[in-house]
Amino acid sequence: DGGITQSPKYLFRKEGQNVTLSCEQNLNHDAMYWYRQDPGQGLRLIYYSQIVNDFQKGDIAEGYSVSREKKESFPLTVTSAQKNPTAFYLCASSITGGQPQHFGDGTRLSIL
Amino acid sequence: ILNVEQSPQSLHVQEGDSTNFTCSFPSSNFYALHWYRWETAKSPEALFVMTLNGDEKKKGRISATLNTKEGYSYLYIKGSQPEDSAQYLCALRFQGAQKLVFGQGTRLTINP
Repeated sequence: DGGITQSPKYLFRKEGQNVTLSCEQNLNHDAMYWYRQDPGQGLRLIYYSQIVNDFQKGDIAEGYSVSREKKESFPLTVTSAQKNPTAFYLCASSITGGQPQHFGDGTRLSIL
Repeated sequence: ILNVEQSPQSLHVQEGDSTNFTCSFPSSNFYALHWYRWETAKSPEALFVMTLNGDEKKKGRISATLNTKEGYSYLYIKGSQPEDSAQYLCALRFQGAQKLVFGQGTRLTINP
């Protein structure tokens, strides 16, 4: 079945370490997105990509980096510069930018 | 950042009762409004996409209306069932944008 796969489901990071969250889709979608959710808040956009080899910053890009070398993959790196990385991270994709999004199951990142 | 507001933040409804909640947004530069349902331990799924003022969409016992002139959308659930318990997210696409801006969500709990 087509869908979006995020891994791992839970991730622990030591302070000062970079960590990469995986997102893969087999829906043949051009656009992909990374969101962060904190308790009591909505989904906030970190980065998005409308096409391979191109991406744009969202509303809270500081301390994060992404790449889009393949259509099906959009990994997110949480760098040591991100001061408050503990959160739930959701990846999504859509046929083109701004269309209805399909979401993965999320990755919960915690700092040890 | 363009604000999308949802109210109430949480809602408890008795099984069998009908309910509704609101998404408010800046009416200028509107392009489309999306509603998503996010059940616990699952990923968000798209319910409706609405673009025209006066639009009404229906899916089973759930319906939505849109007023782009005054900047709001209502989501209605008729005869609530326990399986309707979820977080309901509203997201706006503004003109010229290839991304969505999400509200904080309304968490609906149906009491048996």
